[in-house]
Amino acid sequence: NAGVTQTPKFQVLKTGQSMTLQCAQDMNHEYMSWYRQDPGMGLRLIHYSVGAGITDQGEVPNGYNVSRSTTEDFPLRLLSAAPSQTSVYFCASSGRGFSQPQHFGDGTRLSIL
Amino acid sequence: AQRVTQPEKLLSVFKGAPVELKCNYSYSGSPELFWYVQYSRQRLQLLLRHISRESIKGFTADLNKGETSFHLKKPFAQEEDSAMYYCALFFGGSYIPTFGRGTSLIVHP
Repeated sequence: NAGVTQTPKFQVLKTGQSMTLQCAQDMNHEYMSWYRQDPGMGLRLIHYSVGAGITDQGEVPNGYNVSRSTTEDFPLRLLSAAPSQTSVYFCASSGRGFSQPQHFGDGTRLSIL
Repeated sequence: AQRVTQPEKLLSVFKGAPVELKCNYSYSGSPELFWYVQYSRQRLQLLLRHISRESIKGFTADLNKGETSFHLKKPFAQEEDSAMYYCALFFGGSYIPTFGRGTSLIVHP
């Protein structure tokens, strides 16, 4: 099993461009989430999903969209990139039930110029 | 408000010294607490969870409900322990944990 796979690993964008960060998991996990990791700020939840067709906002959702059309995939869309969105983005998944451990991807390092 | 606090951004120790990474939480219910570790340029991975009461890589963590803490401890630090450590808490009825801001541990030779 590959676990949680994120693509791309690195990306440089210009301000105003849009892009989609891909996240796929092969563990049949119900729950998936996106975090951004910034120095001194730790991990902050952007959006999450508790199943196909169900998404909700986390702590810092502005400027990002998500959808969950299948159990396996949970893409994160930047609508109009801004320098403040320069960060490392992590996707995570976990199994059904409360308090399940998170499985993380390798991360996407995104720079907005 | 429900909160997870890691008061130290950086903890620097010498090899062989004891280590304690602090985690405090604010929650009136029964918490479910985890520690995650991220080695340089790697993905986050689960280190331990309080209900398992395990010792992983020499680390232990005890839930202290009276002090609302879940500190991570190791009696003798090793250089390979240098990493970022995150405390995470599930509040009642939640599927997604709340993470603290992380503590960077540096173990000097």
